[in-house]
Amino acid sequence: EPEVTQTPSHQVTQMGQEVILRCVPISNHLYFYWYRQILGQKVEFLVSFYNNEISEKSEIFDDQFSVERPDGSNFTLKIRSTKLEDSAMYFCASSESPGYYGYTFGSGTRLTVV
Amino acid sequence: TQLLEQSPQFLSIQEGENLTVYCNSSSVFSSLQWYRQEPGEGPVLLVTVVTGGEVKKLKRLTFQFGDARKDSSLHITAAQTGDTGLYLCALSGGAGNNRKLIWGLGTSLAVNP
Repeated sequence: EPEVTQTPSHQVTQMGQEVILRCVPISNHLYFYWYRQILGQKVEFLVSFYNNEISEKSEIFDDQFSVERPDGSNFTLKIRSTKLEDSAMYFCASSESPGYYGYTFGSGTRLTVV
Repeated sequence: TQLLEQSPQFLSIQEGENLTVYCNSSSVFSSLQWYRQEPGEGPVLLVTVVTGGEVKKLKRLTFQFGDARKDSSLHITAAQTGDTGLYLCALSGGAGNNRKLIWGLGTSLAVNP
């Protein structure tokens, strides 16, 4: 069964450092998303991406965050200068249609900022 | 802002028991998705319900969408230890090319042998 692949599975970084989280969505999917989940809290929407541009972003997705689809297969989330409160599980998801009938999620990247 | 509340937050039962978990919205929604998440993994889609009053079955799992489209339930018959996990409901918000998901906090289910 096709799956969404995320790397790395764990990342520990120092506060203020840049991190890039990588995702390979399912090949025929056109809609891409990043979500995060802080331990014990709800899953939160960060950003949606379609046709090589951001469709919507949440309040969390400030100037420190950016997304790219550099080569038609990878979908990356960059955090320019990490803060302690960025520590969370980050999930990439993709869907064939605009998410109405469900998404496929990756296994996530656990980001720890120290 | 549309909110999703799930209950109970935690549930611990013995293998073989039946259970029902609930998902309620502060307003009407057009579709709702149920996911199951295991520790350290991403959510896995179980079902999408779109029609008021709809009932969908997935083996021992029965999903119901309320007539008023403001609530949904998941019933598990004869629970097994493999059913242990976090059950999340999410509704699809936004429009056009964005269908971001708005999530509940989940019901953490532990099925004991």
